[in-house]
Parts: sequence; structure tokens; C-alpha cells
Amino acid sequence: GQQLNQSPQSMFIQEGEDVSMNCTSSSIFNTWLWYKQDPGEGPVLLIALYKAGELTSNGRLTAQFGITRKDSFLNISASIPSDVGIYFCAGTRETSGSRLTFGEGTQLTVNP
Amino acid sequence: DADVTQTPRNRITKTGKRIMLECSQTKGHDRMYWYRQDPGLGLRLIYYSFDVKDINKGEISDGYSVSRQAQAKFSLSLESAIPNQTALYFCATSDARSNQPQHFGDGTRLSIL
Repeated sequence: GQQLNQSPQSMFIQEGEDVSMNCTSSSIFNTWLWYKQDPGEGPVLLIALYKAGELTSNGRLTAQFGITRKDSFLNISASIPSDVGIYFCAGTRETSGSRLTFGEGTQLTVNP
Repeated sequence: DADVTQTPRNRITKTGKRIMLECSQTKGHDRMYWYRQDPGLGLRLIYYSFDVKDINKGEISDGYSVSRQAQAKFSLSLESAIPNQTALYFCATSDARSNQPQHFGDGTRLSIL
């Protein structure tokens, strides 16, 4: 079954606001990944994290690999309308090799 | 041109029909994966392959089969489709040598009536 708990499930925000979403697990993860999915397309990688405590930015996006290796968060600053989409966390566990486990996704809506 | 190409992009069919979804890649990756996406459940792994002739079951393999005909091709079959297999299906690839994250195709929307 699902190993990652992602929250919130959905967010409705105004353009310009900051956004935060996170994933937690009862298992230890070796990598944490954040993907974005636009309608009619496959998930596209935003940020990859490989070490506990790692904090990585990609433009207005910032993500962190939790110290306990059981959680990660993604922040989006100064949101714009094209940030709309579904954001997924995913990770590889110690026993899973390259197999990914996905969170349930966060549906983000940005009102102009 | 897309690196990971899925065909068809959309398919509507009837219960009991045999269906094949195709995935081809030009990235030269050795590993390929098939996922299913349902609303509110994220992506769940159906089957994966680390090389030609290597086939492994994922989280939800019942009712599905796969074939890795060549390094660049990985097909997913539904031998006798049922309505609860209606979903979005994604193929992904990764390269064991570079350890880069998986790269996804644009998906196949499958509806079974």
C-alpha cells in the first residue's frame, strides 16, 4: 500500500502567495524527489534530494530532505498562475533499489 | 521529439478485450517502468524491468503482463480488461549508471466500458 503521506491534498491560493507542502513516512528513504504534473502530461522532475538535511533550490522552489530521512517538504515562493498543477513527492527506500514510492499528490490552484 | 513515447495516448474499449499499451524510449536507459495513476492515489508501480528479459512485479501487477522486447521498448498488456482498470498509465525510464531520477512519458488514458 501507499507508504508516503502527502499533505495537503489540495490548496487554493492567490497569486503571489507562498506555498508549502510536505511528505512523511514511517520508513526511511534514501532519496526524495518532487515532481509536477500538468494536465495531459506525465510528471516532470522539479528537485531531487540525496542526503539527509539537504536543502536544494530550483528558482522559486525549495525542497529539503528531512534529518530523520522520513520526511521532505517543498516550498514555492511568490506563486504565479503557471504553478497550477499536481505536485507529487516520491522516494526510494533502503530496500527498494530504484523503485519509487509516490505520495498521493497535492493539487495546487492559483487564482490570478 | 519526446524521449519517452507512449502509444496510444487515449483508448476506449470494452470489458473483456485484450489491450496493449506501448512504450518506447530514445534515452538509452536500461530500466523501464509501468505505473498506473488513479485520482487521489498518486502513481502505483505495476511492473518494472532492469534489462531485456528482466521482468519484476510491482505493487499492483494482478491483471497485467509486460514484455521487454528490446532495451528501448516495454509494453503493458491487459489480457481481459475490466472497468476498474480504467486509469491513466505512465511509462518511465531510468539509467542505473547515472542514478538519475525516473523520466516519464506523457501517459495513456485508458477507459474500459
